[in-house]
Amino acid sequence: GAVVSQHPSWVICKSGTSVKIECRSLDFQATTMFWYRQFPKQSLMLMATSNEGSKATYEQGVEKDKFLINHASLTLSTLTVTSAHPEDSSFYICSATPGTTSYNEQFFGPGTRLTVL
Amino acid sequence: GQNIDQPTEMTATEGAIVQINCTYQTSGFNGLFWYQQHAGEAPTFLSYNVLDGLEEKGRFSSFLSRSKGYSYLLLKELQMKDSASYLCAAMDSNYQLIWGAGTKLIIKP
Repeated sequence: GAVVSQHPSWVICKSGTSVKIECRSLDFQATTMFWYRQFPKQSLMLMATSNEGSKATYEQGVEKDKFLINHASLTLSTLTVTSAHPEDSSFYICSATPGTTSYNEQFFGPGTRLTVL
Repeated sequence: GQNIDQPTEMTATEGAIVQINCTYQTSGFNGLFWYQQHAGEAPTFLSYNVLDGLEEKGRFSSFLSRSKGYSYLLLKELQMKDSASYLCAAMDSNYQLIWGAGTKLIIKP
């Protein structure tokens, strides 16, 4: 149980285009979903936290107009990188928590590698 | 501020034992997680400690001392597949995970 999927696994796009990444909890309802970014040889950096039906909470330094997050249902959250530039190239990982455990364990998706040319 | 410290890289021999240390400073504390991350993949959960002491799970054990702000992950009978990065993360009073930079573990035959 507790499987989280991400789509696509990898994407290459031209500078200036927008890219949408989907995160789905397959066998549980995710009260909260998290979006992370990870650059090579660095740790996970939390970008935003989203709860179903409400606006996402963005971390300091993350542009909410550039990284659009929609948590439309208890099993789906999307991250749209708008007007992507080469510096946005990174490994994007989502995680989800059912919120039923006392410590709110996060279950991670397999990640999406974005390359912007 | 909030901070997690762990060694950048460690090397060990197949079949041996290795201990990866982690110290943390957070605003409040709701537990300490260890995750394993292979290159190019997402992290996978290894352990969670919220009370002082040692939690054993097969070849992996995790220890926590809340008074010292310290944890370690102990890996026994090392196998080549254990080569990965090991991430320490502390959960603060807002239930937000504060991540360490990860320890890259290299296993040699």
